[in-house]
Amino acid sequence: DAGVIQSPRHEVTEMGQEVTLRCKPISGHDYLFWYRQTMMRGLELLIYFNNNVPIDDSGMPEDRFSAKMPNASFSTLKIQPSEPRDSAVYFCASRNSQATEAFFGQGTRLTVV
Amino acid sequence: AQSVTQPDIHITVSEGASLELRCNYSYGATPYLFWYVQSPGQGLQLLLKYFSGDTLVQGIKGFEAEFKRSQSSFNLRKPSVHWSDAAEYFCAVGGDTGFQKLVFGTGTRLLVSP
Repeated sequence: DAGVIQSPRHEVTEMGQEVTLRCKPISGHDYLFWYRQTMMRGLELLIYFNNNVPIDDSGMPEDRFSAKMPNASFSTLKIQPSEPRDSAVYFCASRNSQATEAFFGQGTRLTVV
Repeated sequence: AQSVTQPDIHITVSEGASLELRCNYSYGATPYLFWYVQSPGQGLQLLLKYFSGDTLVQGIKGFEAEFKRSQSSFNLRKPSVHWSDAAEYFCAVGGDTGFQKLVFGTGTRLLVSP
């Protein structure tokens, strides 16, 4: 198995632009998590899905952030419009409901200038 | 709500020496506790976890951790550190929703000197 795949690995964009981060979970996993990692706040859970349905989005910082999971093998995290304070590493993770361990992707390093 | 404190931001250990990384949690009931490792440019990898039972848990790469309820701690240990252990280590706690909403500590960066 290729693991959780995130794209792009690095993204540099200008303030005000739309940014879309992508995640392909491990096949068969029915939970998907989006995390953000910053020096100031560490790792924060933004949102998680179960069977493609958003369960808890209380960690989404504001309306500029949105996440979708149109099918079991794909999820997106969109920021529109982006701001410099959104610069961070964004991780996607997935888990099988029968297991306790979540597997993380390698992350997308976002820089908003 | 649960919380995690990792009091050491950086730790430097000589190769071959023993290691202990500290983790203190706050949660009213028995928590779910995890240690993850993050190598540069990589995602997080689970080292070990504690849910119940034996308070000394063994993990991968020769790591172990001990749950001490009286001290609200879950410290990570390794008897002999290798240069490849240099990474950032995160303690995490799951509470009311089990392991759905893990709260992570701020991490401890381990440096290994020759």
